[in-house]
Amino acid sequence: DAKTTQPPSMDCAEGRAANLPCNHSTISGNEYVYWYRQIHSQGPQYIIHGLKNNETNEMASLIITEDRKSSTLILPHATLRDTAVYYCIVRVRRGGATNKLIFGTGTLLAVQP
Amino acid sequence: DVKVTQSSRYLVKRTGEKVFLECVQDMDHENMFWYRQDPGLGLRLIYFSYDVKMKEKGDIPEGYSVSREKKERFSLILESASTNQTSMYLCASSSMAVQETQYFGPGTRLLVL
Repeated sequence: DAKTTQPPSMDCAEGRAANLPCNHSTISGNEYVYWYRQIHSQGPQYIIHGLKNNETNEMASLIITEDRKSSTLILPHATLRDTAVYYCIVRVRRGGATNKLIFGTGTLLAVQP
Repeated sequence: DVKVTQSSRYLVKRTGEKVFLECVQDMDHENMFWYRQDPGLGLRLIYFSYDVKMKEKGDIPEGYSVSREKKERFSLILESASTNQTSMYLCASSSMAVQETQYFGPGTRLLVL
């Protein structure tokens, strides 16, 4: 799976949009971009994923650049409950135990009141 | 709404005890995973199961075994708990669909004394 680079931490004011960047310059054509987050002492929570097109769901939007070398996760109206570590993962579907998820260090998003 | 549950949020056990961690998913997923998460080491895959009674070793299976007698339930067994198995244990499940998004349970924080 391609390596990703994320800033270690970011702050965001409550009610404002949080834009979390991720670089994945070595991504290959069949690799998806996934985002998960992990609130302290809880299990990781799936947020969104995409291949080429921008995606939106009830939690967030995912913007993938045309060359697919970077992406941005957008939380449109951040709340205090969005404070968490956000992980960007690039992976291709494969079978068996190699289908494991590998989390990098992620971005700690701190939403400020 | 997807749901993965784990039998305990916190467990304290003594060295040498046999420990059972249970995971149940209600999404009819074929794949189930057991990870452990430790500071600085990220997620590490212990075991993976792709069907009832089927299992594959992950990266760190030593000291662990698993059981999958029913599709919805995947158990992790610590045969003889040791202090280096103190960790956060995370169960996940996914379908065989192309993108195989993994959904996690809340985690079990195990302390072995």
